[in-house]
Amino acid sequence: EDKVVQSPLSLVVHEGDTVTLNCSYEVTNFRSLLWYKQEKKAPTFLFMLTSSGIEKKSGRLSSILDKKELFSILNITATQTGDSAIYLCAVYRGSQGNLIFGKGTKLSVKP
Amino acid sequence: DSGVTQTPKHLITATGQRVTLRCSPRSGDLSVYWYQQSLDQGLQFLIQYYNGEERAKGNILERFSAQQFPDLHSELNLSSLELGDSALYFCASSVDPSGSYEQYFGPGTRLTVT
Repeated sequence: EDKVVQSPLSLVVHEGDTVTLNCSYEVTNFRSLLWYKQEKKAPTFLFMLTSSGIEKKSGRLSSILDKKELFSILNITATQTGDSAIYLCAVYRGSQGNLIFGKGTKLSVKP
Repeated sequence: DSGVTQTPKHLITATGQRVTLRCSPRSGDLSVYWYQQSLDQGLQFLIQYYNGEERAKGNILERFSAQQFPDLHSELNLSSLELGDSALYFCASSVDPSGSYEQYFGPGTRLTVT
C-alpha cells in the first residue's frame, strides 16, 4: 500500500533554531514530491521536487529529495514564530493521478 | 492568495441533507482535485477532473459526486449527509494531471453536519 510517513509528528523549538523535517515514502509510479505549509486553513505550496539531489531554496527554507532512499527533508534555518504551522509532505502518483499526503509535522516556534 | 476560489466558506446542515460545494480553479489550470480533511484521517483525495472529464477517483463515497463544467469550475455534491461527513473540503488546481506541475489549494469549505 502506498504511504507517506513524516517525522517527527510534532516539534517545539525556540526562535533562531534550525529544524529538519523528514518525509519518507513508498509510492508506486512516483512523479513528484511536494511540501506544503498549513496554518489556519488551506495548505500553501512551498516546494515541488522531481529530481534527486537538487536542492530547492526559498529564503530560510530549503528542501532536497533522495529518490534512491525514498525520502525528502525540509530545512528551516533561523526559525521565527511565523514559521509555526503544520508542514505537509505529499507525493504525486502518476497512475492514480493524485497526491497522497503524510500526516504532517506540527512545528511550534517559541519566542 | 492561491488564485483558487471556493464557496461557501462555511456550511452547517442537518443529517440526511444534500449540499453543493463550488470551486473555481486558477486561471489557466485545467485540472481540479477535491480533497477531504478530517482530524483523524488527514488530507484524503476524493476525485480529479481534467478539462471537463473525470480522470481519477480516490476514496469517494457513492453518496458524493462531482463534475467540472465547460468554464472549468467544479462542483462537489454531497448527499444523505452523515455526522461523519463533517470536515474541511478543499479544492486544488494544477495546469494538467501529469504531476509535473504543483497543485494550489483553495481556502476550503468547512462542512458541519448536525
